[in-house]
Parts: sequence; structure tokens; C-alpha cells
Amino acid sequence: DGGITQSPKYLFRKEGQNVTLSCEQNLNHDAMYWYRQDPGQGLRLIYYSQIVNDFQKGDIAEGYSVSREKKESFPLTVTSAQKNPTAFYLCASRPDRVGTEAFFGQGTRLTVV
Amino acid sequence: AQTVTQSQPEMSVQEAETVTLSCTYDTSESDYYLFWYKQPPSRQMILVIRQEAYKQQNATENRFSVNFQKAAKSFSLKISDSQLGDAAMYFCAYRRGGGGADGLTFGKGTHLIIQP
Repeated sequence: DGGITQSPKYLFRKEGQNVTLSCEQNLNHDAMYWYRQDPGQGLRLIYYSQIVNDFQKGDIAEGYSVSREKKESFPLTVTSAQKNPTAFYLCASRPDRVGTEAFFGQGTRLTVV
Repeated sequence: AQTVTQSQPEMSVQEAETVTLSCTYDTSESDYYLFWYKQPPSRQMILVIRQEAYKQQNATENRFSVNFQKAAKSFSLKISDSQLGDAAMYFCAYRRGGGGADGLTFGKGTHLIIQP
């Protein structure tokens, strides 16, 4: 089935460690996105990418990094520079056509202890 | 920068009744899109309905409809004949129009409770 797969669903890491969240899509979508969700907050944009080997910072990019080496994949690395990394992370994608909506993965819950 | 405001942190409605969730936004753009997403306890984000700013007609999807007031920058969601499965967080979202890959700007959400 076509869709967006995020893995793992739950992730635990020690403070000071970098961690990479996976996002893969088989929808042949051009654009991909990473959002962060905190309790009582809406989603906030971390990074987005319109094409392979190109990506742009969103509203809260500090402490995060991404890569886009393949159209299907857009991994997010949460670095030790991110001061409060515990959150729910959602990946999304959409076709590069005007007006299309974004489709979301099921999310990864990251807990840093 | 664009902002989206949902002023109702929580709403409650009796099953089979109608409920309206409010959303206002601020933008200087004339071309944009508005969306309502549903997030059930599974936390999967599901598109409920979308509205193109250039369309005067309000969007409708089965029991879900919107009241889009462009001049007032208001975009409310009406759910008719509420069902237990409608219980979820509802997020209003904005995206600038044009051909770019801009992401969505979200409100903080409204928690909808359905009373049986």
C-alpha cells in the first residue's frame, strides 16, 4: 500500500546523544516535511524539502539536521544541540502540484532521558 | 509571518448534535489554502476538509462543512450529526499559495469531546 512510514514508533535516547528518525514514502511525492508536536501545541515546521539534495529550514530548525539523498527518504537527525528534544515528530509529504494537501506518517515519539 | 488561532481549547457536544469549531488566521497573502485536520488518539493526522482562498463557495465533505469568511479571515468547521468517532483533536492549518513547497502553519488545536 502507498503511504508514509516513520520508524521507530517510540525512541528513547540519553541526553547528549544524536538520534536519527526515519521517514520513507512510496507515494512519489516531491515535497517532504518534518513537524514537531508538543503537548497543547499545534505542529511546528522543522525542515522541508522540495527536491532531492535541497532542503529549507522551517520555523524551529535549530538543533536539527536533515538530508534528502533520495526522493523517497527524508531522515531527521536530532542533535545534542537541541535543548528540549522530547516531543512527537511527524513527517509529511505532498505532490508538487498547486493546492494539494499534505499526507502524514504515524509519527515517532522521542523521549530523551 | 502567518498565524493561525484556535480560541477554543476544548469543545463538547452531544452525539447527533451539531458543533462549530472556530479558527482565525492572519496573512498578507491573497492566494492561500486552509485546511482542517483531525488527530484521533492514534495521533495520525487526517485531512478533514480544505478550502482554496480564491473560491467563494464554502467547502463541504459529507457531515463536515466550513464557513469561510475571507474578509474577516475566519475559517470555522461545522460538524453535523456528531458521531463518537469524531472525538479527536482538530487543527486548523494555513498554507501559502503558489508553486512552492511551503509547509503548513497550524493552530494549537481544539479537543472535541462527543457525549453519548
